[in-house]
Amino acid sequence: EAQVTQNPRYLITVTGKKLTVTCSQNMNHEYMSWYRQDPGLGLRQIYYSMNVEVTDKGDVPEGYKVSRKEKRNFPLILESPSPNQTSLYFCASSLAINTGGYTFGSGTRLTVV
Amino acid sequence: AQKVTQAQTEISVVEKEDVTLDCVYETRDTTYYLFWYKQPPSGELVFLIRRNSFDEQNEISGRYSWNFQKSTSSFNFTITASQVVDSAVYFCALSENTGTASKLTFGTGTRLQVTL
Repeated sequence: EAQVTQNPRYLITVTGKKLTVTCSQNMNHEYMSWYRQDPGLGLRQIYYSMNVEVTDKGDVPEGYKVSRKEKRNFPLILESPSPNQTSLYFCASSLAINTGGYTFGSGTRLTVV
Repeated sequence: AQKVTQAQTEISVVEKEDVTLDCVYETRDTTYYLFWYKQPPSGELVFLIRRNSFDEQNEISGRYSWNFQKSTSSFNFTITASQVVDSAVYFCALSENTGTASKLTFGTGTRLQVTL
């Protein structure tokens, strides 16, 4: 089944403790991105990747890192999480930019206390 | 910069009523895609429709219909004979095409509550 898999689905952590949210897709998509969803703000792009080893900032990149060492994986790294990063996170992939065919993961609900 | 506006923050209707969710967008691109997603209480994003900027035909899928009007930069979504299972947050989104960057720009969402 074609899908984007995020893990974990839920995570509660403490301020400053490094964490990684994994994202993996099995569709050989070139393009992957991360979004965060906050009440009243919709979804905002954090980072995106056009292909392996090619990443760039989205609208809200502060406090996040990403890497794209393999085509299928695009982890989101929070080196020192803070409470303002409490949010619902989505990973998405598509075959190429602006093809209109985005596939989203199921989301990761992160709480930083 | 592109922008998507969903002016209706929350809508409440009684089951079987028709309801229209508004979406207005701004873009300088001539080629773009518009989307609607549904987010039920479980949290996942459910894809509903994608519309190419060159295709202004309205679309109907069961109780759902979409009205795309480039002249007013709107892509409105109508649910006919609403049901309790339609209760969710609905997002309109616009895909940018710059050639060097890509993202979906989302509206802030409209929460639809359908009651018996």
